Amino acid sequence: ETGVTQTPRHLVMGMTNKKSLKCEQHLGHNAMYWYKQSAKKPLELMFVYNFKEQTENNSVPSRFSPECPNSSHLFLHLHTLQPEDSALYLCASSQEYRGVTGELFFGEGSRLTVL
Amino acid sequence: GESVGLHLPTLSVQEGDNSIINCAYSNSASDYFIWYKQESGKGPQFIIDIRSNMDKRQGQRVTVLLNKTVKHLSLQIAATQPGDSAVYFCAENNANAGKSTFGDGTTLTVKP
Repeated sequence: ETGVTQTPRHLVMGMTNKKSLKCEQHLGHNAMYWYKQSAKKPLELMFVYNFKEQTENNSVPSRFSPECPNSSHLFLHLHTLQPEDSALYLCASSQEYRGVTGELFFGEGSRLTVL
Repeated sequence: GESVGLHLPTLSVQEGDNSIINCAYSNSASDYFIWYKQESGKGPQFIIDIRSNMDKRQGQRVTVLLNKTVKHLSLQIAATQPGDSAVYFCAENNANAGKSTFGDGTTLTVKP
């Protein structure tokens, strides 16, 4: 496999469920990101990890809990979500954090629907 | 605060015509700009980039122009094809801030 892989591609959950999104990058990059993409809104940065250490949390509600066990894997744990959390969640990686270029490599996203 | 905006949310062109997608940014400290393409059901993909010390950069069928005086960025696609139909995002990057700020996106539709 190459690039950035996200699973599951689609997820439907109730407000009381607990689920997790998974991201794996096969590019040897050092930084990984979670973005939220809602309809008619710009991409919103949620979390940044650099060498598996969290470097940014953009005021994300605690019902979203990230985990980065190593530089290749990133999880987003979800619990007691709200319907307004329904969105496409994109994982991305970059060669380095605060790099000169900052080019991001995205996965195909996990489409989340909260009922 | 920072903001990156695109002038038009949608653009429709005839196959074979040239397309121009515009973007305005507000952070004069941004040192690197990227255009991404997002096809339906997929994540954004890098198209072309430009550093702040450049005015123009060309790729295969695409050209990015940067006007720092008016903080304006544009993406030109030559001989637009149906496969170019997608949402296009501009992003500005500040190496010190360590993150990219994305615009709203322009949906390009190519009519056969």
